[in-house]
Amino acid sequence: QQQVKQSPQSLIVQKGGISIINCAYENTAFDYFPWYQQFPGKGPALLIAIRPDVSEKKEGRFTISFNKSAKQFSLHIMDSQPGDSATYFCAAQYSSASKIIFGSGTRLSIRP
Amino acid sequence: ETGVTQSPTHLIKTRGQQVTLRCSSQSGHNTVSWYQQALGQGPQFIFQYYREEENGRGNFPPRFSGLQFPNYSSELNVNALELDDSALYLCASRGGGARGGNEQFFGPGTRLTVL
Repeated sequence: QQQVKQSPQSLIVQKGGISIINCAYENTAFDYFPWYQQFPGKGPALLIAIRPDVSEKKEGRFTISFNKSAKQFSLHIMDSQPGDSATYFCAAQYSSASKIIFGSGTRLSIRP
Repeated sequence: ETGVTQSPTHLIKTRGQQVTLRCSSQSGHNTVSWYQQALGQGPQFIFQYYREEENGRGNFPPRFSGLQFPNYSSELNVNALELDDSALYLCASRGGGARGGNEQFFGPGTRLTVL
């Protein structure tokens, strides 16, 4: 049962462009929505996270937009850089539990 | 502060064998979770350990089992290995108890190949 759907599967963006990754969730009981970044040979690392009581959160070049009524959220990477090339996972979580439910991932490549 | 470490890095086993993977949690973190990441997929939750007891389990059969030790390190054991068990196994730790903070810190994983 896929509870978090992520798209696109892969994305190529020119350096300096905006990268956008979209996710949708099913269970309205989720109350914590993190994004993870994973480089080859490494474990996922928390990039940015949001709770459903806010519609947007920005940290540097990374912004999460959250639409609670549509049960959708997205990651925007502004001024994308070659060092941003990685696999990105959206996720959902019950804040009181460890279990993280990951999306299927987006492989992002930034062209120099 | 030492991050999450896992051993071994890579492992090759044959179908039917048993395997033990090890994880040392980040300093001060008392809750450890294990995830299975198949190639090209997102990680899937296997189980969580807190105070040396299993405290939450995903949709994995009983041949996946674990242990947590008093120093919070942990082991993942898989019996009767199947070809589909080939994956990257990730360990994650967090502090604050079984219902503590949200942020989890992942180790680099153990790549298991079953032939």
